[in-house]
Amino acid sequence: NAGVTQTPKFQVLKTGQSMTLQCAQDMNHNSMYWYRQDPGMGLRLIYYSASEGTTDKGEVPNGYNVSRLNKREFSLRLESAAPSQTSVYFCASTDVGWGNEQFFGPGTRLTVL
Amino acid sequence: GQQLNQSPQSMFIQEGEDVSMNCTSSSIFNTWLWYKQDPGEGPVLLIALYKAGELTSNGRLTAQFGITRKDSFLNISASIPSDVGIYFCAGQLSYGGSQGNLIFGKGTKLSVKP
Repeated sequence: NAGVTQTPKFQVLKTGQSMTLQCAQDMNHNSMYWYRQDPGMGLRLIYYSASEGTTDKGEVPNGYNVSRLNKREFSLRLESAAPSQTSVYFCASTDVGWGNEQFFGPGTRLTVL
Repeated sequence: GQQLNQSPQSMFIQEGEDVSMNCTSSSIFNTWLWYKQDPGEGPVLLIALYKAGELTSNGRLTAQFGITRKDSFLNISASIPSDVGIYFCAGQLSYGGSQGNLIFGKGTKLSVKP
């Protein structure tokens, strides 16, 4: 099992460009999450999908959109990138139920110039 | 939003030393999780705690779910160089819905003492 995979690993964008970050999990998990990590800020939830067909906003959703393509895949889109979106982005997944033990991908390091 | 206060922010370790860190909140949590993040990698789950007062070990790591349900502690005994990294606590307020999402502390960075 690969667990949670993310592509790309690194990306540099210019202000105003758009891009989609891809995430896939092979653990048959129902719930998937997108976080951003900034120095000294910990992990902040952008969007989540509790189950296939549903998505909800997290703590910092502005400037992002998401798509739960199927049970395996959950993508994050930046329509018009801004320097404030320079960050490391992590995707995570978990099974339904109590505890919410999330498994994380390796991250995408995004720089917006 | 809800906040977890994690301390210390950073610490230096010498091989063989014991290490302690903790997370506190003004809210009551149902679940406490501890993660470790190595440079350039995603967080990896170390220990999960589900009951107030619970004490759980994973090798040299021991974590406790505070009796008030508002705090948790992680101890590392006899530290080794590969213990360096960032340790995060995460709490879950309740099961299901948005309250079931994890809230993360800002991390404790462990470095080797020069």
